[in-house]
Amino acid sequence: GDSVTQMEGPVTLSEEAFLTINCTYTATGYPSLFWYVQYPGEGLQLLLKATKADDKGSNKGFEATYRKETTSFHLEKGSVQVSDSAVYFCALPPLRGGYNKLIFGAGTRLAVHP
Amino acid sequence: EAQVTQNPRYLITVTGKKLTVTCSQNMNHEYMSWYRQDPGLGLRQIYYSMNVEVTDKGDVPEGYKVSRKEKRNFPLILESPSPNQTSLYFCASRQQGYTEAFFGQGTRLTVV
Repeated sequence: GDSVTQMEGPVTLSEEAFLTINCTYTATGYPSLFWYVQYPGEGLQLLLKATKADDKGSNKGFEATYRKETTSFHLEKGSVQVSDSAVYFCALPPLRGGYNKLIFGAGTRLAVHP
Repeated sequence: EAQVTQNPRYLITVTGKKLTVTCSQNMNHEYMSWYRQDPGLGLRQIYYSMNVEVTDKGDVPEGYKVSRKEKRNFPLILESPSPNQTSLYFCASRQQGYTEAFFGQGTRLTVV
């Protein structure tokens, strides 16, 4: 079935370091891919999305490119800030019968220290 | 402002005392869902609704009920809460199709 695999955390970085959080999925042809962010004590917010292969989503300095050939949607940021400390989730809608929910990865906790 | 509103944000209750967590969205979305989030288990869907009066079980429905009498509201009902239902709960809504979900702020429930 459909599934999403994220790199395990926690990821600990110094401020201004480069961030990559890996995300891969099981099949090809997903119509959309998403990254969500959950700040401490809050709900999940959509960070960025891509709606077709080779599409790049971007927001708040974060980027992710929908790579169909490698079934990946890795999240990157060139220079992280302490305020980026949060849990990040990769997500996608199932290919078949998938209107009822999104499939989420396990989440990757990011801690950025000054 | 487009939003999903859950209430209450925090709730402590005793085993067996019925409770309801409310969820309301103002985006006219067809699909609504309830998730629970537990350490090490990620997000798991409890119930979902594809429209008014249309609901179905998600991955972990035992011990929960839902109703969808109006398009904007999707309450979660725990008829007889137990300690294993202590968790962080999220309501979410989506438009029809392969679209992103919008989440509420969460309800942290503790059952003692």
